[in-house]
Amino acid sequence: DVKVTQSSRYLVKRTGEKVFLECVQDMDHENMFWYRQDPGLGLRLIYFSYDVKMKEKGDIPEGYSVSREKKERFSLILESASTNQTSMYLCASSSRTATNEKLFFGSGTQLSVL
Amino acid sequence: DAKTTQPPSMDCAEGRAANLPCNHSTISGNEYVYWYRQIHSQGPQYIIHGLKNNETNEMASLIITEDRKSSTLILPHATLRDTAVYYCIVSPITGRRALTFGSGTRLQVQP
Repeated sequence: DVKVTQSSRYLVKRTGEKVFLECVQDMDHENMFWYRQDPGLGLRLIYFSYDVKMKEKGDIPEGYSVSREKKERFSLILESASTNQTSMYLCASSSRTATNEKLFFGSGTQLSVL
Repeated sequence: DAKTTQPPSMDCAEGRAANLPCNHSTISGNEYVYWYRQIHSQGPQYIIHGLKNNETNEMASLIITEDRKSSTLILPHATLRDTAVYYCIVSPITGRRALTFGSGTRLQVQP
């Protein structure tokens, strides 16, 4: 079975801390994505990557950065966590085919910033 | 990308067919219709996608109108496990695009 694994299911951090959210996929997918999900706002795209060392901003990149040093791993970094970054973070991956944007999602990381 | 409109919520009786509508009147010729669902506390799960022909897989059927301006996802025999938020998404066939999720339809399957 295909798998997208997020390193933590629940995470509690303090304001100002540097936070790393890790995502690993075992499907040799080229594309990887980070979304956040908040009640009433749905899923919003933060960053995505179409290849190693490549990244593109999504709809809400402010306050975040990403790293893609290896094909299977995509990290989301909160340089200085703030309370408004308390959210559910979802990682996804997909294969770069011409006719299919089939995303595979991880189970999510519920981040609380105090 | 074309926008989609879905009802915010629907109910369905267990064992009956669930028909979830989606309006995408501004869809263009190179855009697919995708359906995902999200069960509580889990990441979204791919269900099905199509361009202009009707599609069926082990999870659901997708009916796209001839003018492609709307579609219906059909769960033929809904179970309690099908209670979820269902997202209809329109996205181009090619390109370096990420899917944009709207608010979806919250389907409640009643026993």
